[in-house]
Amino acid sequence: AQKITQTQPGMFVQEKEAVTLDCTYDTSDQSYGLFWYKQPSSGEMIFLIYQGSYDEQNATEGRYSLNFQKARKSANLVISASQLGDSAMYFCAMNSGYSTLTFGKGTMLLVSP
Amino acid sequence: ETGVTQTPRHLVMGMTNKKSLKCEQHLGHNAMYWYKQSAKKPLELMFVYNFKEQTENNSVPSRFSPECPNSSHLFLHLHTLQPEDSALYLCASRPGRAGGLSSYNEQFFGPGTRLTVL
Repeated sequence: AQKITQTQPGMFVQEKEAVTLDCTYDTSDQSYGLFWYKQPSSGEMIFLIYQGSYDEQNATEGRYSLNFQKARKSANLVISASQLGDSAMYFCAMNSGYSTLTFGKGTMLLVSP
Repeated sequence: ETGVTQTPRHLVMGMTNKKSLKCEQHLGHNAMYWYKQSAKKPLELMFVYNFKEQTENNSVPSRFSPECPNSSHLFLHLHTLQPEDSALYLCASRPGRAGGLSSYNEQFFGPGTRLTVL
């Protein structure tokens, strides 16, 4: 069984600052994938970034980077230079083999001017 | 712009009503999903379809009945729902078979249907 834990129900950050959203996971599989999704108030889930368990380098996509620490089973999302439009719910998710995605409870990020 | 559309966006229904949610994807994907998102709960997978065949039913009550007539369309038929079924219902699609380890496992989500059961 897989499990995703997001311990921060809410986070506040000022515009232009960096913020880290925490995610830890639990799986007995050796090969797995980790995802981050953003959900604005409109409801749509938007894919942000992916990290494979065998990828040696941390994934980056524009202002998003994934701080992958395999031994600690953590996959934190780092957003650099926050923008007002980054205010949303953020979900960490994982899968392994041919299993479907398992999602965490999410973190609400609020970016203030 | 999302390639996955859902209608209606909002639905209010009584417990004795019968209604259907529709999902349509124009991405050429072969796997489609229904999720339920309740307040303060993780996203819950309901059903998975691969190439129009249902491959996963996550212990969903029979008052929810999915239908996948082709790879582009997915329906969720609702009847005799309960107030606790009020939630955001999200549809998603993915290229190829559900699962697999790569960034191509990315699921593309629709905007959801906000359902309220009175």
